[in-house]
Amino acid sequence: GAGVSQSPSNKVTEKGKDVELRCDPISGHTALYWYRQSLGQGLEFLIYFQGNSAPDKSGLPSDRFSAERTGGSVSTLTIQRTQQEDSAVYLCASSLAFSGPYNEQFFGPGTRLTVL
Amino acid sequence: AQSVAQPEDQVNVAEGNPLTVKCTYSVSGNPYLFWYVQYPNRGLQFLLKYITGDNLVKGSYGFEAEFNKSQTSFHLKKPSALVSDSALYFCAVRDKAGGYQKVTFGIGTKLQVIP
Repeated sequence: GAGVSQSPSNKVTEKGKDVELRCDPISGHTALYWYRQSLGQGLEFLIYFQGNSAPDKSGLPSDRFSAERTGGSVSTLTIQRTQQEDSAVYLCASSLAFSGPYNEQFFGPGTRLTVL
Repeated sequence: AQSVAQPEDQVNVAEGNPLTVKCTYSVSGNPYLFWYVQYPNRGLQFLLKYITGDNLVKGSYGFEAEFNKSQTSFHLKKPSALVSDSALYFCAVRDKAGGYQKVTFGIGTKLQVIP
C-alpha cells in the first residue's frame, strides 16, 4: 500500500517568506509526527497529532512554526517569516493507534527546505 | 525527561566483520526501544523494536539488538557486515511519560562498511 508522502520534496525560499509543508500519512494511522533533521543534529521532535489534536507543541522552535491536521489525515506544517536557520529536512511520520507504545513509525521521504 | 545517547558519530567496519552500533537510554518507566535506518537520499525505515520479553530482538536485514536493563543499553548488532549496510542509524525510545506519544531519537550514527 501507499506509504507516507510529503510535498514538496524540495523547497527553496527567500528569507522572510512563508512556507507550507504537507504530509499525507498512511491511511488509518491516527498518530502523525513532524521532525526536523539538520546536519549533525539528528532528529528534532517538533509536534505530534492524535487525530486532529496536538497535545504536545513543546517542540516547535518558535511561534513562527505552526501545524494543523484535518480530517485525521493530511497535516500541514507552516513556517512564517522563514529564517536561514530554518533550513533543514522536515520529516513526517505516522503510526497506528496512538495508545500503542509498540507501534513503530513510518516515515515519509522528507521535504528539504532551503532558505536563502 | 526521556533521552537517548548514541556515543559514536561514526563506526567503521570491514565487510564481513561483526558490527555494533551503541545506544543508551534514560526513561522514567519501562522503555520501548527502536532502531531505524536511513539510507542515502531515502527516508527512515524501521529495523526492529524491543517491547518486552527476550532481551535479544531480531529485525530486518539480519540486524539484531540486545536490551540490557542494568546498563540501560540497546546496542544494534549484525554478525557479518555488508557494504550495503552503510547508512545512518538512529536509536529511539518511547516512554510512559506523556502516554508513550513522544518518541525521542538519538543524533544518529553513521555506519561505514569498508569493502
